[in-house]
Amino acid sequence: SQQGEEDPQALSIQEGENATMNCSYKTSINNLQWYRQNSGRGLVHLILIRSNEREKHSGRLRVTLDTSKKSSSLLITASRAADTASYFCAIPRADSWGKLQFGAGTQVVVTP
Amino acid sequence: KAGVTQTPRYLIKTRGQQVTLSCSPISGHRSVSWYQQTPGQGLQFLFEYFSETQRNKGNFPGRFSGRQFSNSRSEMNVSTLELGDSALYLCASSTGGRDYGYTFGSGTRLTVV
Repeated sequence: SQQGEEDPQALSIQEGENATMNCSYKTSINNLQWYRQNSGRGLVHLILIRSNEREKHSGRLRVTLDTSKKSSSLLITASRAADTASYFCAIPRADSWGKLQFGAGTQVVVTP
Repeated sequence: KAGVTQTPRYLIKTRGQQVTLSCSPISGHRSVSWYQQTPGQGLQFLFEYFSETQRNKGNFPGRFSGRQFSNSRSEMNVSTLELGDSALYLCASSTGGRDYGYTFGSGTRLTVV
């Protein structure tokens, strides 16, 4: 079964607005990672947040982690058309080398 | 520094043929993982190699295999191709630890006809 489940599945916003997407998971984690994928291309690593961290920032991105609720959120502030992409949360399996478990992703469309 | 390089970018093969995909990781990264991405199944883990050893394997049939060379470059092979093998194949490199992010290549788009 999918470890990370993103919500919503799709999000349509206008440039300048903020976009928030959530990720829920089922088991304990060492860290949780967010990736972006532009249409048909490879994934780009955005942020890794460790289980003992509650919030992390990178430019216009803000990630929070609530281990008690087993959930994480990714906020993109002041969105741009170039932010149009699919966003995935990914969780490394603690018992399994090199394996990231991905959710189905949130498809974000930012219109000018 | 150079990113992860996957070749070829696009590939069209006929059912029953075999295919080999290549991945060159970031210099110094010893771990290479492979994923299959399809619209129906999403991103599925194929296998991971570290220092020429397969450390982990996903739930794929034996037609899917891989290897890693001493320079950390990796190849994956799919034999007896089926229509359902049409997908974007992604490789990712990392240092090999569990607390680091992964750098993905641009992928190989395989179409089986």
